[in-house]
Amino acid sequence: DAKTTQPTSMDCAEGRAANLPCNHSTISGNEYVYWYRQIHSQGPQYIIHGLKNNETNEMASLIITEDRKSSTLILPHATLRDTAVYYCIVRAYNNAGNMLTFGGGTRLMVKP
Amino acid sequence: DGGITQSPKYLFRKEGQNVTLSCEQNLNHDAMYWYRQDPGQGLRLIYYSQIVNDFQKGDIAEGYSVSREKKESFPLTVTSAQKNPTAFYLCASSIKGANEQFFGPGTRLTVL
Repeated sequence: DAKTTQPTSMDCAEGRAANLPCNHSTISGNEYVYWYRQIHSQGPQYIIHGLKNNETNEMASLIITEDRKSSTLILPHATLRDTAVYYCIVRAYNNAGNMLTFGGGTRLMVKP
Repeated sequence: DGGITQSPKYLFRKEGQNVTLSCEQNLNHDAMYWYRQDPGQGLRLIYYSQIVNDFQKGDIAEGYSVSREKKESFPLTVTSAQKNPTAFYLCASSIKGANEQFFGPGTRLTVL
């Protein structure tokens, strides 16, 4: 699976959009981009995933560049409860064992 | 309610003792996983199982053992051979090959 690079930490004002970048320059054609988040001392929670088209669900939007070497997770109206570590993961669909490789993630702090 | 349960939430053991962490799911998922998380770090895969009576080593299996006698249960034993067992342990499950893994609340193990 391709390696990802994320900023260590970011701040965002409550009510504003939070834009979390991820670089995955070695991504291959059959690899998806997944985002999970982990609120302090809890298990990670799935947010969204995509292959090459932009995706949106009730939690967030995922914007993937045309060359697929980077992506951005957008939380449109961040709340204090969105404070968490956000993990960007690149994985081939149906790879052996369906495993996820978690890096260090981005620690998002939403401030009032 | 469907979900994954891990017990206990906090566990203390003396050095040299084996300890077994419980993970149960009622989601009818085929695949189950164990991850370890150290402070400020991402998750690392210990073991995973895609089907009953079968499991594979992850990235850091040394000093750990698992069993998968029932679809609903995937206990993890931390043996005395594990040199640094103090960590946060997370169990997850998924439909085989699915995009999303569901995580339990975790067990924080402290070895004194």
